[in-house]
Amino acid sequence: SAVISQKPSRDICQRGTSLTIQCQVDSQVTMMFWYRQQPGQSLTLIATANQGSEATYESGFVIDKFPISRPNLTFSTLTVSNLSPEDSSIYLCSVDRPRGTTYEQYFGPGTRLTVT
Amino acid sequence: TQLLEQSPQFLSIQEGENLTVYCNSSSVFSSLQWYRQEPGEGPVLLVTVVTGGEVKKLKRLTFQFGDARKDSSLHITAAQPGDTGLYLCAGALMDSSYKLIFGSGTRLLVRP
Repeated sequence: SAVISQKPSRDICQRGTSLTIQCQVDSQVTMMFWYRQQPGQSLTLIATANQGSEATYESGFVIDKFPISRPNLTFSTLTVSNLSPEDSSIYLCSVDRPRGTTYEQYFGPGTRLTVT
Repeated sequence: TQLLEQSPQFLSIQEGENLTVYCNSSSVFSSLQWYRQEPGEGPVLLVTVVTGGEVKKLKRLTFQFGDARKDSSLHITAAQPGDTGLYLCAGALMDSSYKLIFGSGTRLLVRP
């Protein structure tokens, strides 16, 4: 498994501002993932972040709105820019671990963002 | 677009009852993972199934992967209030085993 921490655990932000979320893992990992979970919904992958290269974004998510940094093998940040109330969600980071022929993903506790 | 349909969306049962949650897709998965998420926390991995037809048991929870690796089920026997939570299935696509597609989730409430 993996021990993953996120900061902040929650925040209330004003419209038009930005929030940067940090994700720290207890061991080196190649890939880190960022997800969004809107109220009452399931998880949607925002992007995959590899160390040393630009993040790969999923359809509907763009770098200008969700810039990601991956400075080393244990850390990543996600910034949610130009906030609007529609960005109110839980943001989760995860990492994967090989298990036999497949991978398993482990999640951080999440960051609950409320935009007013 | 790959979809993983999960049912039911919501389930409210009495303590001691049994229940089954289903995940279905038209896509073939290299593996499928089940998670449970409680309020204010991230999803916690319960099990990973890899082989078609595979059955795994975790105490009162039984997980099955369909023969064609397109569907899965979670059966809980004698549910307890501690089983309350959001259950999520997530499939790893054959062409990209690191990327998970999540089901819509099943919110389970077990009443004492």
